Amino acid sequence: EAQVTQNPRYLITVTGKKLTVTCSQNMNHEYMSWYRQDPGLGLRQIYYSMNVEVTDKGDVPEGYKVSRKEKRNFPLILESPSPNQTSLYFCASTTGTGSYEQYFGPGTRLTVT
Amino acid sequence: QKEVEQNSGPLSVPEGAIASLNCTYSDRGSQSFFWYRQYSGKSPELIMSIYSNGDKEDGRFTAQLNKASQYVSLLIRDSQPSDSATYLCAVNKDQAGTALIFGKGTTLSVSS
Repeated sequence: EAQVTQNPRYLITVTGKKLTVTCSQNMNHEYMSWYRQDPGLGLRQIYYSMNVEVTDKGDVPEGYKVSRKEKRNFPLILESPSPNQTSLYFCASTTGTGSYEQYFGPGTRLTVT
Repeated sequence: QKEVEQNSGPLSVPEGAIASLNCTYSDRGSQSFFWYRQYSGKSPELIMSIYSNGDKEDGRFTAQLNKASQYVSLLIRDSQPSDSATYLCAVNKDQAGTALIFGKGTTLSVSS
């Protein structure tokens, strides 16, 4: 089954404790993105990757890091989480070859206390 | 700053009626337009994409695009309670397809 997976689905952590949210896709897509979704603000892009070892900032990159060492994986790293990073996070992928249709993972609900 | 605007709703329609959802976008150069459905706490699900002016039909869903007016809409015929969700309009951010810009969504409620 073609899908984007994320782990963990739910995470409660404390300020300053480094964490990683994993994302994996099995569709051989080139493009992958991370979004966060907040009430009243909608979906906003954090980072994206156009291929292995190629990443760039989205609209709200502050406080986040990403890496793309393999085509299928695109982890999101919060090295020192803060309460304002409490949000619902989505990973998405697209073929990137003339198609802009993005397919989303199930989401990770992060709470930072 | 490219923007996508939607009425937040809620839009309430009775079961069996037509629901009409609207979206405007600021970048005249936008080329690709999408409608996503999102149930509460779930991920956005792509339901329609449209790339050229006119109508595109898929089952009970019809997307309409008017690039001159920078307007895209989604019609849902024979609305069902299971259609109750938030509908997100999205537009490609750039030519490379690196991202979508999303509207904040319209909440649809279908009553039985």
